[in-house]
Amino acid sequence: GQQVMQIPQYQHVQEGEDFTTYCNSSTTLSNIQWYKQRPGGHPVFLIQLVKSGEVKKQKRLTFQFGEAKKNSSLHITATQTTDVGTYFCAGLTSGTYKYIFGTGTRLKVLA
Amino acid sequence: GAGVSQSPSNKVTEKGKDVELRCDPISGHTALYWYRQSLGQGLEFLIYFQGNSAPDKSGLPSDRFSAERTGGSVSTLTIQRTQQEDSAVYLCASMGTYNEQFFGPGTRLTVL
Repeated sequence: GQQVMQIPQYQHVQEGEDFTTYCNSSTTLSNIQWYKQRPGGHPVFLIQLVKSGEVKKQKRLTFQFGEAKKNSSLHITATQTTDVGTYFCAGLTSGTYKYIFGTGTRLKVLA
Repeated sequence: GAGVSQSPSNKVTEKGKDVELRCDPISGHTALYWYRQSLGQGLEFLIYFQGNSAPDKSGLPSDRFSAERTGGSVSTLTIQRTQQEDSAVYLCASMGTYNEQFFGPGTRLTVL
């Protein structure tokens, strides 16, 4: 079945360092979404990417969708303690309604 | 306006009992998802509703799980004869205009 792998599983960074998480799908996606889940909280929508090669920025966050629409990345520049949480990607295959979530990357930021 | 709400927030039950979990989506959202999240894990798709119908229920783990939606709004997820492996956080999400999913706070289910 369709799988979405996400790496790394965990990342500890010093405040001010950059952070990147990668998402890889076994199938071509029609779109990919990114969510952030704070400890003890629920996932919160960050962004959706639809086009091949698309790059979107939100302040210190940069999101990319691969040319083949099978992979994606989230890069955070100069991390802050407020960036702590687990980041999930969620991919949708064309013709389906089912979003497959990646395994998540848990980010810890050390002050 | 109000976000997605879920009830109860916590449910402790004995093995073999039935439980019913409720989701109140954002008003006007026609698409609704149920997911399950085990401790420290990702989200596992359970079922998708468009209005009152469920075009994709492929994620329901067994026939002990069922879900319905009435009036295009409230949805309930029912688990019959609960097992310990059913223990997890059950999350509901309603979908906005641009396909963004708005999640509720979840129901933490513990089966003893």
